[in-house]
Order: sequence, then C-alpha cells, then structure tokens
Amino acid sequence: QVHLVESGGGVVQPGGSLRLSCGASGFTFNTYGMHWVRQAPGKGLEWVALIRYDGSNEYYADSVKGRFTISRDNSKNTLYLQMNSLRGEDTAVYYCARRGGGYHAFDYWGQGTLVTVSS
Amino acid sequence: QSALTQPASVSGSPGQSITISCTGTSSDVGGYNYVSWYQQYSGKAPKLMIHDVSNRPSGVSNRFSGSKSGNTASLTISGLQAEDEADYYCSSSISSGTNWVFGGGTKLTVL
Repeated sequence: QVHLVESGGGVVQPGGSLRLSCGASGFTFNTYGMHWVRQAPGKGLEWVALIRYDGSNEYYADSVKGRFTISRDNSKNTLYLQMNSLRGEDTAVYYCARRGGGYHAFDYWGQGTLVTVSS
Repeated sequence: QSALTQPASVSGSPGQSITISCTGTSSDVGGYNYVSWYQQYSGKAPKLMIHDVSNRPSGVSNRFSGSKSGNTASLTISGLQAEDEADYYCSSSISSGTNWVFGGGTKLTVL
C-alpha cells in the first residue's frame, strides 16, 4: 500500500528557510517521479515542483523558481523541498504526490504539512 | 501559468447527474490528453478520480467519467450520492508532463 508522509512544516519568518521531507513506502520509490503541490488556506491547489525518478531533472512553477529546490534521496526513500526566501504567500499546506506510473496524473498524495510564513 | 477555469460551485439532487467544466487553452487542456480530476474532502488530501482525460483508476466508481472537447474538459458524476459532496479540481500538463496547472476548484453540493 502506497504511503507518503510529509514532515518539517512550521512557522517561519519572512525571508527565512525551511526544508520539508516526504517519506515514501509501499512502492519502489526510485522508479517514480515525485511532485510537491501546495494549498493556501481556503484556496485551491497549486503545483510547485516535479523531480524525475532518478533526480536527473527538476521542474518548477514560476512562483517558486529560484527560491525552492526539490531533491530526493532514493537510498532513504525520501523526497525533499528546500524553501528559501519565504514570503507570506508561501503559507500553505504542502503535499507530496507521486507521479502516476504510466500515466499523467498525481496518483497518490500524502496528508500534507502546514507551512506558515509570518513575523 | 494561469489557473484553469472551473465554476466555483455546482449542485444537484441525489440520483441526478452533474457536469463540472474545466476550461484552459491550446497550451494546456487543448494541447495534451493529460487532464486529470481530483476529489478533496475538507481537511483531507486530494484523491485521483480521472486521469488522461477519461480513465478511471482502479477502485473509483464508474459513476465518475471524464471527457474533453477542444480546450474544455469535463467531469460528469451520475447517480449523485451524498458522499460525492466535496471539492473537485482539474489539472493539466502545460509542457508534455513536466509542468502542471490546476483549476480553481468547484464545490459540489448534494441537495
């Protein structure tokens, strides 16, 4: 059974940094691309970033490009999101999601971790 | 990367059918058959309901179906049930599977 668990959220001041983690189990982690998707309070979903199964390529939404870095450690079955230069508009629940195997979608999601950017 | 356009809300009575639209452009919805739909209950993670325009993952009820015409995709739920009351989001790739955009979400109310 696929299981994704995010951690690392919390309160951070504007301009600060935070690193989120997503632990994966129940599938062969090193054969799947992985996404980060966020949802601001009371708002819709926003795609943040994608990393290929082997970490060879990363893709970012314009809103986070240059500030956020997605990475993975396949030996630890863990996905990361390093967030720098945080702004108030980055306040959201951050979900990790698996890229569909053989199709184009986000097929499994974690429960999310809340990041609050506030002074 | 503008969000796809969905109606803010739709409603229907139990047993009825409803359709939620998702309008984009030729650079996203119209350009790829990579439209997917997600169901989200309040405070919960989204769940994949439809992928690649019209395909249901294993375990998703056949009351849910998807389609696309031009730059507009649609999710139809037939035989509405109280448990279908949730938020629904569409999504599309904007670059052959590497960059993605979501719709603003539609709140479905079962009367």
